[in-house]
Formats: sequence, structure tokens, C-alpha cells
Amino acid sequence: DQQVKQNSPSLSVQEGRISILNCDYTNSMFDYFLWYKKYPAEGPTFLISISSIKDKNEDGRFTVFLNKSAKHLSLHIVPSQPGDSAVYFCAASGKSGGSNYKLTFGKGTLLTVNP
Amino acid sequence: GAGVSQSPSNKVTEKGKDVELRCDPISGHTALYWYRQSLGQGLEFLIYFQGNSAPDKSGLPSDRFSAERTGGSVSTLTIQRTQQEDSAVYLCASSLTGNNLSGANVLTFGAGSRLTVL
Repeated sequence: DQQVKQNSPSLSVQEGRISILNCDYTNSMFDYFLWYKKYPAEGPTFLISISSIKDKNEDGRFTVFLNKSAKHLSLHIVPSQPGDSAVYFCAASGKSGGSNYKLTFGKGTLLTVNP
Repeated sequence: GAGVSQSPSNKVTEKGKDVELRCDPISGHTALYWYRQSLGQGLEFLIYFQGNSAPDKSGLPSDRFSAERTGGSVSTLTIQRTQQEDSAVYLCASSLTGNNLSGANVLTFGAGSRLTVL
């Protein structure tokens, strides 16, 4: 039972264009969402997050949008750079039962940015 | 240290053997987590330690798995009688606290220990 779904295993974009990575969730108790980026042979690194009280959070080239009614979030990278090529994981947490430390991850999307 | 250190980085073992994976979290981080990533899957929560509180072991897949954290710092994940389905990358992470994972309190992951059970 996947509570966080990233339906696109891979995405390929041209350098300079926009990359849009999508994530859907099913658990309505989730109230905090994060994106992690992972290079091969390294651990995931935190990229950007958003609380359920917001619908948008921006950090430089990275913007995360949250649509609570659709239980959908997306990560936009503009402009995309070859160094952005990595696996991107969507993750969610909720305060159900007081435990907001447990992250539920999607399977990841491999982004390839072509020069 | 500057980051989360895990050892070994790679471990190949035979089915039925026991393995120990070690994690050295960032100094001062009171919360420590173990996740694992099986091939083609997302990260799966295994266990959570916070200070001196009882750990949350709800993610451990079977009683062959155990973990301890000594002195509030280093943690060891032990898998007894390994099976082929235990093959995965085991990731350790730490954070300042386990509450409100935002701002300066995000999870910092180690590079992982890749376990292969033959």
C-alpha cells in the first residue's frame, strides 16, 4: 500500500528548460512534505519542503507546489542544469499519533538534464 | 564529525549469517533513524531513536532485525540469519531532534551500507 507515489520513474529534459517532478499521496493525515535529491553512491540530501498550510514554497531555482484537495505536489526546477541530474524522492510526514518524525518516501524519479 | 558516517559501505554475506551495520551520527543530533532502500523501492522506515526515550521499532520487518544506540551516539543495526530479501541499501540519518523536521532540523543521511546476501 503505497501512501506516497511518484508515477514517473524517469524524466529527461534539456538544459535550461523546466523540470517538473510529480508526487501524489493518499494519506490525508500527512501535513508536511519534503523533496530529497540523491546522487549515486551518496545518501539523499534535503532539497526543499512545504507545510500543508502553504501551497507554494520557493528556494532559488526550486519551487514546490502543493494541491491539498488533489493530494498532489510537484517540484519545479527552473532553469534545469546538468548538475541537477539525480534521483528525486518525495516524502511526507504527519502528526497522527504525535509521530511526525517518520517520513514516508516515494520510489523516486530519475531526472536527467541533457546539455 | 561533519556528516553521518556509515560502515561498512559494502557488505556481501552468505544466507544465514549475521551482519552488523554501524552508524555514527552528527555530533549533537539527538534523533537517529534507520531506513532501507530495496531495489526499485523508496526508502522504508525501520527504527527511530530519540535521546533516552524508548525507540520506535515499528518499521523493523522481522525479529531478525534489531538495533541499539549506545551513549546516545553510535548506533548498530544487526540482522541475524540473513535472507536474500534483506539485500538492500541501509541508510542511517540523524537530526537535531525528532520533532518538526524543518528548517535546521532536517534529516541528514549517510551514504548507506549496501548489503548483498548471496
